Amino acid sequence: EAQVTQNPRYLITVTGKKLTVTCSQNMNHEYMSWYRQDPGLGLRQIYYSMNVEVTDKGDVPEGYKVSRKEKRNFPLILESPSPNQTSLYFCASSLSQGAVAGELFFGEGSRLTVL
Amino acid sequence: AQKVTQAQTEISVVEKEDVTLDCVYETRDTTYYLFWYKQPPSGELVFLIRRNSFDEQNEISGRYSWNFQKSTSSFNFTITASQVVDSAVYFCALSEVIQGAQKLVFGQGTRLTINP
Repeated sequence: EAQVTQNPRYLITVTGKKLTVTCSQNMNHEYMSWYRQDPGLGLRQIYYSMNVEVTDKGDVPEGYKVSRKEKRNFPLILESPSPNQTSLYFCASSLSQGAVAGELFFGEGSRLTVL
Repeated sequence: AQKVTQAQTEISVVEKEDVTLDCVYETRDTTYYLFWYKQPPSGELVFLIRRNSFDEQNEISGRYSWNFQKSTSSFNFTITASQVVDSAVYFCALSEVIQGAQKLVFGQGTRLTINP
């Protein structure tokens, strides 16, 4: 079954404690991206990756890091989480190639609370 | 810069009514893609439609239809004979390719409630 898998789905942590949200897709997609969803703000892009070892900042990258060492995985790293990073996070992948924007397949979301 | 505006924050209608969700976008590019996604109460994001900027044909899929008007930069979504299961948050999104990278921007979303 084609899917994007995120873990953990729910996490409560404390300020400053490093955490990683994993994301894995099994569709051989080149494009992957992270979004955060906050009330009234829709989904905002954090980082995206066009291919292995190619990553770039989205609209709200501050406080986050990513890596893309393998095509299927795109972890989101919060080195020192703060309460303003409490949010619902979505990972997505797409078959986008060049100028053609494909449909985004989303993971189920990871709800993160930073105390 | 690209921008998507969904001016309707919340809409509430009675079942079987028709309802239209508005989406207005801004872009400088001539090649772009528009999307609609549905987020039901369970939280996942469900793809509904993709339209490229060169295809202005309206689309109908069952009770769902989409009206793409380039002249007004709008991509509106209509649900005919709404049902309670249509209750969800709906997002409109715009994608451009900038320097070889896809850039996708979402609107703020419209929360649609269908009352029995």
